Amino acid sequence: DVKVTQSSRYLVKRTGEKVFLECVQDMDHENMFWYRQDPGLGLRLIYFSYDVKMKEKGDIPEGYSVSREKKERFSLILESASTNQTSMYLCASKGTGNQPQHFGDGTRLSIL
Amino acid sequence: GEDVEQSLFLSVREGDSSVINCTYTDSSSTYLYWYKQEPGAGLQLLTYIFSNMDMKQDQRLTVLLNKKDKHLSLRIADTQTGDSAIYFCAENGGSYIPTFGRGTSLIVHP
Repeated sequence: DVKVTQSSRYLVKRTGEKVFLECVQDMDHENMFWYRQDPGLGLRLIYFSYDVKMKEKGDIPEGYSVSREKKERFSLILESASTNQTSMYLCASKGTGNQPQHFGDGTRLSIL
Repeated sequence: GEDVEQSLFLSVREGDSSVINCTYTDSSSTYLYWYKQEPGAGLQLLTYIFSNMDMKQDQRLTVLLNKKDKHLSLRIADTQTGDSAIYFCAENGGSYIPTFGRGTSLIVHP
């Protein structure tokens, strides 16, 4: 079974802090994704990566950056956290072609 | 661009069948997926169907695909309280990034 592990289930940070959300997958998948999920808005894609050191902006990249130094790990970085970044963050990974995405358990991030 | 539409809520009685509907616009969709999200958790892949199939059954789950109308449904037989969750429909067209619907909250009451 595919395992996607997000480092924290719950995280509380302060406005202006630099925040790192980590995601690791164990299936040697090429593609990894970061979404945020807010009530009534569904899933919104922040960034994705199709290979090591490669990244592409999704629909809402403003205020975020990402890092993919190793194939199994994809990090989401909030350079200077703001209260409107309080949300549920979901990481996913996917193999080639039409294989489905597999999701982690999510990180509920609160920015105070 | 591509769009996937779902109704937001569905309420059923325990033991009844639930039918969650989804429509999509991308005619090049090759795979269509159903995910389940329990409270406070990530999305769990339930099942998926290839676009050349009309139906797929897996225990209590039945997926029906009407490709002409671009309509997908998920039927859950003998719905239980543990089935209460948000169900997401997603399609994978020409891009390798799936398009998700906003999710249908299934509420199962005694």
